[in-house]
Amino acid sequence: SAVISQKPSRDICQRGTSLTIQCQVDSQVTMMFWYRQQPGQSLTLIATANQGSEATYESGFVIDKFPISRPNLTFSTLTVSNMSPEDSSIYLCSVGQYNEQFFGPGTRLTVL
Amino acid sequence: AQSVTQPDIHITVSEGASLELRCNYSYGATPYLFWYVQSPGQGLQLLLKYFSGDTLVQGIKGFEAEFKRSQSSFNLRKPSVHWSDAAEYFCAVGEGTGANNLFFGTGTRLTVIP
Repeated sequence: SAVISQKPSRDICQRGTSLTIQCQVDSQVTMMFWYRQQPGQSLTLIATANQGSEATYESGFVIDKFPISRPNLTFSTLTVSNMSPEDSSIYLCSVGQYNEQFFGPGTRLTVL
Repeated sequence: AQSVTQPDIHITVSEGASLELRCNYSYGATPYLFWYVQSPGQGLQLLLKYFSGDTLVQGIKGFEAEFKRSQSSFNLRKPSVHWSDAAEYFCAVGEGTGANNLFFGTGTRLTVIP
């Protein structure tokens, strides 16, 4: 199974600033996903990021707020822009491989 | 539209007791079904999955789940719970081929008492 790392593991940010989260995979994968898990809530898919194409965003999420890069088959970034306290969440990346998804450890973001 | 319901927000069981976590799904075609566990401060770990075939699937850590199409259910079971099983458990349904676009239930928090 794929091994996924995320940076940073946690951060505390001021409102109005932006944070870029990195996701690194130990093998080449086509499909990568970004999820948000708000406090005490389940996971919600933000977008699907396939290498070589624009990310596909789910309803309620827009590129201006959550720009995503996917420069190669092992790496992706998610930026949370112009943050507000409502963006305080755990952000997880995952990869699709062998008909299942493998998840990274998550990035815990607190916005003051 | 796809949806997953986990009716139990929080369950408390004694160590050594049996466990069943409920999951009901709504999906138009044959679903791909998953159970994940999330320990405090950790990412999600896949416990087991169902795609087709035998409706009783075995997973890691002694867990099993049974797919019942007539009840649209995929309940997770364990015959004897260990203290280390305390965690958040998520049921998910995948659409399309494999694990594209996973839809998660709201989760069930399991507390294990000695």
